[in-house]
Amino acid sequence: QKEVEQNSGPLSVPEGAIASLNCTYSDRGSQSFFWYRQYSGKSPELIMSIYSNGDKEDGRFTAQLNKASQYVSLLIRDSQPSDSATYLCAVNTLSGSARQLTFGSGTQLTVLP
Amino acid sequence: GAVVSQHPSWVICKSGTSVKIECRSLDFQATTMFWYRQFPKQSLMLMATSNEGSKATYEQGVEKDKFLINHASLTLSTLTVTSAHPEDSSFYICSARVTGRAYEQYFGPGTRLTVT
Repeated sequence: QKEVEQNSGPLSVPEGAIASLNCTYSDRGSQSFFWYRQYSGKSPELIMSIYSNGDKEDGRFTAQLNKASQYVSLLIRDSQPSDSATYLCAVNTLSGSARQLTFGSGTQLTVLP
Repeated sequence: GAVVSQHPSWVICKSGTSVKIECRSLDFQATTMFWYRQFPKQSLMLMATSNEGSKATYEQGVEKDKFLINHASLTLSTLTVTSAHPEDSSFYICSARVTGRAYEQYFGPGTRLTVT
C-alpha cells in the first residue's frame, strides 16, 4: 500500500460544478496535510493546508480532514477552466527517524468550458 | 512570503559536462531544502534532503556522487549534476521547508535540463 494515495483520474467536470479530489494516507501519526496545484510544465504551488479534523475553507477551496478514516479531500466550488491542473496531496509521514512530506501521484483535473 | 527561486530556469548542456542549479529562499530562512526530479507526465520524485551545514540525505537509487548537493547557508542550496547524460534530462525542482510551520514546503519554479 502506498503511503499517500490519490484517485489518479483524469477527472473532468463542467465549468461551475464542484470538483472533489480525494486522498488517503497510511501513517496514523501524520499531523500536517497539504494540497498543491501543478500546472503543466510548472512547479507545484501550495494552495491549502489543514491540520485539524473538519473543514477549512479558503475562497472556492475547501479542505476536509478525517484523521480517524485517514482521509483528506479538496473541494473546488464553481470550478473554472483555469482550475485545470494536477492536484497533489501531501502528508507528513515518518521516513526512518524523521518526518517528511510524502506526495501522492496526483489527480489530473480538467474543467470543461 | 515564502518565495523560492531557482536558477537557471532552463539549461542545455553537452553529454559529459556538469551543471549547477541554485535554489534560494528569498524571504525566509530554510534549514531544510529538498530536491525533486520530474519526468514528463510522471509524479514528483524526491532525490535528496538537504540540511544546512550537513551532508545531504539521498533517497534510495539516487547516486550521491552524480548529484552533488551543497547547502552552505540558510538561504541557498545547490545541486550539481556531474558528467550529465541524456537520461539525466528532466525537470529539477527544489523546495524549502519553512521552519516552525509544520512541514509547509514551498517550491521553486524548477529548472528544465536538457543534455544533448
